[in-house]
Amino acid sequence: GNSVTQMEGPVTLSEEAFLTINCTYTATGYPSLFWYVQYPGEGLQLLLKATKADDKGSNKGFEATYRKETTSFHLEKGSVQVSDSAVYFCALSETGAGSYQLTFGKGTKLSVIP
Amino acid sequence: DADVTQTPRNRITKTGKRIMLECSQTKGHDRMYWYRQDPGLGLRLIYYSFDVKDINKGEISDGYSVSRQAQAKFSLSLESAIPNQTALYFCATSDSSGTGKVEQYFGPGTRLTVT
Repeated sequence: GNSVTQMEGPVTLSEEAFLTINCTYTATGYPSLFWYVQYPGEGLQLLLKATKADDKGSNKGFEATYRKETTSFHLEKGSVQVSDSAVYFCALSETGAGSYQLTFGKGTKLSVIP
Repeated sequence: DADVTQTPRNRITKTGKRIMLECSQTKGHDRMYWYRQDPGLGLRLIYYSFDVKDINKGEISDGYSVSRQAQAKFSLSLESAIPNQTALYFCATSDSSGTGKVEQYFGPGTRLTVT
């Protein structure tokens, strides 16, 4: 079956530091890949996505590249801010008949300190 | 106004009680989902519905039931709540048509505590 593995947290960074959150996946086909973000007390929001190999998703200074050869979708940001403190979830969705279901990683909590 | 709303936002109930969590959406999406979130486990799918007459069990449906009253409304019931159902519950929607069909949009969550 499908699975998503992401680095365990919590991750604590100083403001303006570089962020990487690793995500690797196992899927039987060619999935779409997502990063969702959950701010304290809120639901999940789609941060970025990529639907095919070598696509780069980007939003709010965050980026992730769909690497089929390494089955990875690592999240990066060059300079984090205190407002980026949240829990980040990597997820995948199969294409075609299985495209309804999202498979999530366990989440990585990021804390950014001034 | 939020596109996906959940009520109540917080609920404390006792073991054995019946409880219903409600979800409404104004996005016009046909597909709706219920997830639970537990610390360190991510989100797990409880039930999903492709339309009013198409309801399916997810990964962890035991102890739960659902009702799709209309395209915009999807309720989750715990017939006899137990403490290990204490969790954060999320409703989500998606649109099966168009290029964005794989994306899901989440409500703010309901925090349920069973004592």
